[in-house]
This record gives sequence, structure tokens and C-alpha cells, in this order.
Amino acid sequence: SQTIHQWPATLVQPVGSPLSLECTVEGTSNPNLYWYRQAAGRGLQLLFYSVGIGQISSEVPQNLSASRPQDRQFILSSKKLLLSDSGFYLCAYKGSPPDTQYFGPGTRLTVL
Amino acid sequence: QKEVEQNSGPLSVPEGAIASLNCTYSDRGSQSFFWYRQYSGKSPELIMSIYSNGDKEDGRFTAQLNKASQYVSLLIRDSQPSDSATYLCAVDGSGNTPLVFGKGTRLSVIA
Repeated sequence: SQTIHQWPATLVQPVGSPLSLECTVEGTSNPNLYWYRQAAGRGLQLLFYSVGIGQISSEVPQNLSASRPQDRQFILSSKKLLLSDSGFYLCAYKGSPPDTQYFGPGTRLTVL
Repeated sequence: QKEVEQNSGPLSVPEGAIASLNCTYSDRGSQSFFWYRQYSGKSPELIMSIYSNGDKEDGRFTAQLNKASQYVSLLIRDSQPSDSATYLCAVDGSGNTPLVFGKGTRLSVIA
């Protein structure tokens, strides 16, 4: 069976500090992977998606970046956090049935 | 650009009643449809998927799809307070693109 992990679970960072969030998937190979952000009380905002190692599509131009150094690893980064980067960050993978996306437990980021 | 529309709610129903959640989508070519439940502070979890017109039942949940009207709904029978959550409707993207999500409907089941 497939499982998805994210860490850390919570993070409090000062404005201007760097960020690295990690997502890993087990039990499947070469999955499509996705990063979403959800601001408090808001819907899901797609940030990045990847269909393979080194292949990243960006949906929203901002101070965030993503990388996929290994088949089942997806990393979200920032060099300098903004207050507006606060939110709930969710990683997801595409599994079965067809087109189905499954979400990780999420990382709650607070930028002060 | 594909769009998925949901009433934001809150939708309040008494315990034991049927909750009806609705969703419309813009792309007539969409093939896959999903309902997710998201409890406050938690990540979305898949409730049901539906791919063909008609009804699909799973326990207390029934998904209904009408492709001609570009409409998908979720019925929750015998609603319980534990069903109180935000329900997200999602529609397939094209090829490798991600699902397109609605903003969600907040459901409150009153005991």
C-alpha cells in the first residue's frame, strides 16, 4: 500500500528566513506529485506539480521553489519567507483509481 | 481554464437528516469526479470517486453525476455531528495536470 509523509508537522519561522519542507511517498514508483497551500479559511492553491525527477511545473509565480531530487521525494523551498507565506502546506500524489489524488498530513507554517 | 463551483455554506442540517452538497464544473470533457472531506486543521481525505452518469453509493454516502448538466452532488444520509467538515469537490485535469478543486462547502450537523 502507498503512504505519504510530510515533515515537519508544524513550523514557526521569522520573516526573511529560509524554508525547506519535505514530502516522501512509499509504495509506488514515479508518482505525479503536487504541492498545495491553504491559507486560513480558504481553498486549496496549487503551487507546483511534478511528473518525474527534475520535472517541475510552477502554477503561481512567487518566492517559493520546488525540487524533485529523487523519484519519491518532493521538496518545497524558499530563500526568504514573507508573512503571506503562512498557511497549511499539503503534498499529494496521484494514485488509483484513475486521477485520484491522496494528500499527506500537511505542514502548518507560521511566519512571524 | 477549468473551474469548479461550490456553495461555501455553511450548510446546517439536524442530526439524522440528509445533507445535500452540490458542485458544478465548467469543462464538458471532464471524466473523473471526486469528493473529499476536510476536518478543521487536517488534510483532505477522499470520500468517493465517480466516473459515469448516475448514482454511486458507499455506506451513508451517495455521489450523483449528471454530465449533461455538468453537475455532481454528494448526499449524506443519517447525518452525524462527526460529518461536520468542509467538503471539497474536484474534477480531473487534462493529461498529467492536477485535479481542479472547488473552494469547498462547510457542513455543520447539529445534534
